[in-house]
Amino acid sequence: GQNIDQPTEMTATEGAIVQINCTYQTSGFNGLFWYQQHAGEAPTFLSYNVLDGLEEKGRFSSFLSRSKGYSYLLLKELQMKDSASYLCAVMDSNYQLIWGAGTKLIIKP
Amino acid sequence: GAVVSQHPSWVICKSGTSVKIECRSLDFQATTMFWYRQFPKQSLMLMATSNEGSKATYEQGVEKDKFLINHASLTLSTLTVTSAHPEDSSFYICSATGLADYNEQFFGPGTRLTVL
Repeated sequence: GQNIDQPTEMTATEGAIVQINCTYQTSGFNGLFWYQQHAGEAPTFLSYNVLDGLEEKGRFSSFLSRSKGYSYLLLKELQMKDSASYLCAVMDSNYQLIWGAGTKLIIKP
Repeated sequence: GAVVSQHPSWVICKSGTSVKIECRSLDFQATTMFWYRQFPKQSLMLMATSNEGSKATYEQGVEKDKFLINHASLTLSTLTVTSAHPEDSSFYICSATGLADYNEQFFGPGTRLTVL
């Protein structure tokens, strides 16, 4: 079966760095997405990785290792507004997104 | 670019009534639209995938006669929840692809449905 695993909840301090991990087992691979979702709102796109390595975009970076079925989202200089759920999603061989359950990130002052 | 709208943003209805939710891609032509539902503190659950002019493909366990999807044009898809019941209360989100090479899904703001 297809499976996406990510921690349920994480807590970090304002100004610090946090890494959210995602491991996956899917039928084929056509890229991995990270989305941010604030409570009561729809997800917003953060990053896309299809090749191994690190993609940096401002305070957010995303890493992919296809051989390990592993990705992480790195958030630097955390701000209170970063408190949200972070969803990992993998596009399988049918170009369908398989979603993780999301990681709720709590930022403390 | 890549803006997707949904209407209404929220709706409260009585049990037994039908509710229609519209999803529009405002500045691009969406080759494919997706409908998701999300219960509190849970992840997105794909309900169906629709391509313009063809029948929607429903995920296992989703009743196609209850959740009617129409994708009449490249910019509009509708989801109709027929004979809604309290257990249908959820957050319904649509997304659309067609702009990015890597099939990025652009999400609408979601519709919160409450069935009394």
